[in-house]
Formats: sequence, structure tokens, C-alpha cells
Amino acid sequence: AQSVSQHNHHVILSEAASLELGCNYSYGGTVNLFWYVQYPGQHLQLLLKYFSGDPLVKGIKGFEAEFIKSKFSFNLRKPSVQWSDTAEYFCAVRGYSTLTFGKGTMLLVSP
Amino acid sequence: ETGVTQTPRHLVMGMTNKKSLKCEQHLGHNAMYWYKQSAKKPLELMFVYNFKEQTENNSVPSRFSPECPNSSHLFLHLHTLQPEDSALYLCASSQVLWGELFFGEGSRLTVL
Repeated sequence: AQSVSQHNHHVILSEAASLELGCNYSYGGTVNLFWYVQYPGQHLQLLLKYFSGDPLVKGIKGFEAEFIKSKFSFNLRKPSVQWSDTAEYFCAVRGYSTLTFGKGTMLLVSP
Repeated sequence: ETGVTQTPRHLVMGMTNKKSLKCEQHLGHNAMYWYKQSAKKPLELMFVYNFKEQTENNSVPSRFSPECPNSSHLFLHLHTLQPEDSALYLCASSQVLWGELFFGEGSRLTVL
């Protein structure tokens, strides 16, 4: 069965700090990879996705993620976070069938 | 506004009650999903419908009963729930099965 592991449950950063959230998955075949974000009191929304092609994917609001197949990883990055990036971030993978989510990482950005 | 609307947003019910959660999508999508979101746990897939046909039942207890009368509407009927069923229930839809999911804001359920 496929699974998703997010390394940190909580991350606290100051504004302008760089961000990297880890995501590893277990599935040996072809995968589709996603990062979703849930801002306080709002719905889950797609940040970015990888289906094929360039392993460096750019999403909304300056986020990007890199698919490293050999490491089964899809880490999320942003060079300089803002207070408005405070939210919960979910990595998800689709392997042979369903979409499986990680437990989420709560990011708190202090002004 | 996501195009996926869930009602009610909050629901409190006793263990012997019968209630329903409703989801409506205005995106013309063909697939709809129910997920359960509990604190400190990954989102748990419950049910999947594609063109009104159920394609996935992720070993969900029978006290949860889904209904999909058409591609735009999805219900989750609740009966004799347990306190551990308290959670945020999320509905989502996608154009194609397991394409990009669009989520609603969820229905926060509390079982007393």
C-alpha cells in the first residue's frame, strides 16, 4: 500500500526565512504528487502538482517542489516566507489508485 | 469560493440521531469524494463516486451511508454514530477520477 510521510508536524519560522517541508512516499511505480494548503478557517486548496516532465514544479504564491525519484521525495520550498503563509500543508501521492495524504505540517510564520 | 459547497458547516448530534451531510459542486465535475479529517491523523478516504457510481468504500462502518443521486450532489447519511466519529468531514470533486481535487470547507461533526 502507498503511504506518505511528512517529517515535521510543526514548523515555526520568522518572516523572510527560507522554508523546506519534507515529504517522502512509499510506492515503487509511477506517481502523481501534490501539495495542498489549508489556511486557517479555509478549505484545502491545491498549491502545486507533479504528473510528469520537469521534476521542479512551480506553484502558486512562490512555492515550488522538487520530485526526486531516487529518494521518493517531493519536498516543498519557498525562499522567503511571509506571515500570510501560516497554514497547514499536506503532501499527497497517487500511485496505483487512490490519493493518499500525509498527516500535514503546521507552519507558523511570526512577523 | 471553491465551487464545492458543504452543509451544514457545523453539526452536533447524539448517538441515536439520524442526520445527513450534503455536498454540492458547481464545477461540472464527474467524480466526488468523502474524506474524514481528524486531529493529528492523515486525511482518511471514505467513499468515491465516479459518474454517480461508487468506486471506493474504504472499509467505512455501515453507520455511514453515502448517496450520490447525480454528479453534482453527494450526501453522507449518519446513523447511531460514536463519539470517535467526531471530525471534520470533507467533500471534494474532480473533473476526472483522481484528477485535481477541489475541496469544500467541510462539515464539523460533534457526536455527544
